Amino acid sequence: DIQMTQSPSSLSTSIGDRVTITCQASQDIRNYLNWYQQKPGKAPKLLIYDASTLETGVPSRFSGSGFGTDFTFTISSLQPEDIATYYCQHCDSLPYTFGQGTKLEIK
Amino acid sequence: QVQLQESGPGLVKPSETLSLTCTVSGVSVNNGLYFWNWIRQPAGKGLEWIGRVYNTGSTNYNPSLSSRVSVAFDTSKNHFSLQLNSVTAADTAVYYCVRKRSRGSFDIWGQGARVTVSS
Repeated sequence: DIQMTQSPSSLSTSIGDRVTITCQASQDIRNYLNWYQQKPGKAPKLLIYDASTLETGVPSRFSGSGFGTDFTFTISSLQPEDIATYYCQHCDSLPYTFGQGTKLEIK
Repeated sequence: QVQLQESGPGLVKPSETLSLTCTVSGVSVNNGLYFWNWIRQPAGKGLEWIGRVYNTGSTNYNPSLSSRVSVAFDTSKNHFSLQLNSVTAADTAVYYCVRKRSRGSFDIWGQGARVTVSS
């Protein structure tokens, strides 16, 4: 299985901050990397696919980059509604696996 | 508007079979552009992919669960199902049915079904 290592596991932030989360794959996954947002009690929501493509309707303050094994997810200016847990996930091969998640909290 | 909705018992006894159904609306499960998946999440933990079914009926499973799991679909009812045998407390989780683009991401999720394994 491909292991996805996300960091940090939690992040204390302020509204308006730039937030960066990294995700490292245990082997080359090309650009088959997706990012999801999950709020408490809700299903995950797709934000970015193919490492850097914004899903329709997702605000442009969210972005992603990377290729191969190292990927980055960025929120350019954190808004109150962005407080959530974020997951990376690869779809290069079976079985699909997720990172362990990054929980954003307000300072 | 595409929607997925899980249904099934919220409580299952140890060693018995967990059975869930995902009813799909707004798109046919026969649509070859998509795979139909199950993903679970224990309370306070991360996400685990369980398995998927394609419109041909072909299936793939997570090796960690493959000896106990079965995913199938019923095109006449436009739904797909999950069966997990010989459950233990470790199978207690929220179970999501999820649509996956054929070469891509999990784009549509059900709201989730909470299943507890307990006697």
